[in-house]
Amino acid sequence: LAKTTQPISMDSYEGQEVNITCSHNNIATNDYITWYQQFPSQGPRFIIQGYKTKVTNEVASLFIPADRKSSTLSLPRVSLSDTAVYYCLVGGPNTGGFKTIFGAGTRLFVKA
Amino acid sequence: DADVTQTPRNRITKTGKRIMLECSQTKGHDRMYWYRQDPGLGLRLIYYSFDVKDINKGEISDGYSVSRQAQAKFSLSLESAIPNQTALYFCATSDLNSQETQYFGPGTRLLVL
Repeated sequence: LAKTTQPISMDSYEGQEVNITCSHNNIATNDYITWYQQFPSQGPRFIIQGYKTKVTNEVASLFIPADRKSSTLSLPRVSLSDTAVYYCLVGGPNTGGFKTIFGAGTRLFVKA
Repeated sequence: DADVTQTPRNRITKTGKRIMLECSQTKGHDRMYWYRQDPGLGLRLIYYSFDVKDINKGEISDGYSVSRQAQAKFSLSLESAIPNQTALYFCATSDLNSQETQYFGPGTRLLVL
């Protein structure tokens, strides 16, 4: 199973850019990297997904180096409402059972 | 996500009682999942189903059972509830063609006394 390692928590201030890095040394060739956001008492919500290089959407950017053993979620100009837990997952289509595992995530605190 | 609904949203029960949590989805996805989350922790997979005739155990299936009644419905049962099953339970769905992106329901908060 592809295991991920991320920092337990991070602090930031409003308006700053936040980068959360995730390690996934055992990522498989057909695995994608997906990030979710979770607010208290709510289900996780999809933020962004990528396979290699850089992906950007209206919420975040995802940077993936050539070896794909890590990835960095970048949140531009965070606000107080970005305080949440962020999960990095690796997984993808497969024929031999479910691979995607949620770890403990990174708890981001955005301060005023 | 309103496309994935869970009932009930909150439930209090007593030790030894059998309860069922239900999940319905209108996304047309084949894959459905049940997770539990304990305070301050990530999600742990209980069971998952890739289609109506497929049921698979996750990492913490003991004490739970599931039923996939239709593509759109996946229910989780606690045969004899115990206090350490007090947790927040989430149902999720995914589509193979979307690279396993999961869509979560709002959760069911369960308290076992």
